[in-house]
Amino acid sequence: LAKTTQPISMDSYEGQEVNITCSHNNIATNDYITWYQQFPSQGPRFIIQGYKTKVTNEVASLFIPADRKSSTLSLPRVSLSDTAVYYCLVESSGSARQLTFGSGTQLTVLP
Amino acid sequence: DGGITQSPKYLFRKEGQNVTLSCEQNLNHDAMYWYRQDPGQGLRLIYYSQIVNDFQKGDIAEGYSVSREKKESFPLTVTSAQKNPTAFYLCASWDSGRHQPQHFGDGTRLSIL
Repeated sequence: LAKTTQPISMDSYEGQEVNITCSHNNIATNDYITWYQQFPSQGPRFIIQGYKTKVTNEVASLFIPADRKSSTLSLPRVSLSDTAVYYCLVESSGSARQLTFGSGTQLTVLP
Repeated sequence: DGGITQSPKYLFRKEGQNVTLSCEQNLNHDAMYWYRQDPGQGLRLIYYSQIVNDFQKGDIAEGYSVSREKKESFPLTVTSAQKNPTAFYLCASWDSGRHQPQHFGDGTRLSIL
């Protein structure tokens, strides 16, 4: 299982774009990169998943360079409700689908 | 509306007592998982099950037991052998036939009296 490294915490202001970068140097060829969001006392929620280049959905974008050793989650125009812990995971495409969660990045959005 | 239901939301255990946490899903997912989360930490895998009547230990299985008699249900028992059971417990499920993310319940917080 590939290990990920991401910043422990980040602060931002409402309306700004936030970029959280994750490094995963030993990612395997068949691995996907997935980001989850977790609020206190709730289960993680899926945000976005990608394999390479750029993926965009209604809440975020995910940028993955060609070497795939890192990825950047981009949250456009954050609001106070985006304050949460964000986890970057490298998911194996194997059948066991074990996930390794690091400590995540605590994003605090300030007014 | 499909999802994962964990109950109870809060649970208290006396010393030496076994307690069982419930996890039910109506997503028709084959695989189910139990994670433990301690304050300020990520999730650690306790047990997982890929099919009915089969399950495997995760990274921290000692002091826990599970069963998978039905596809929809994956209860976790925290036994008296688990010396530090106070934590937030999360259940998840996954459709093993497609490349989709895991779906999580909203957790059970277990405390020791």
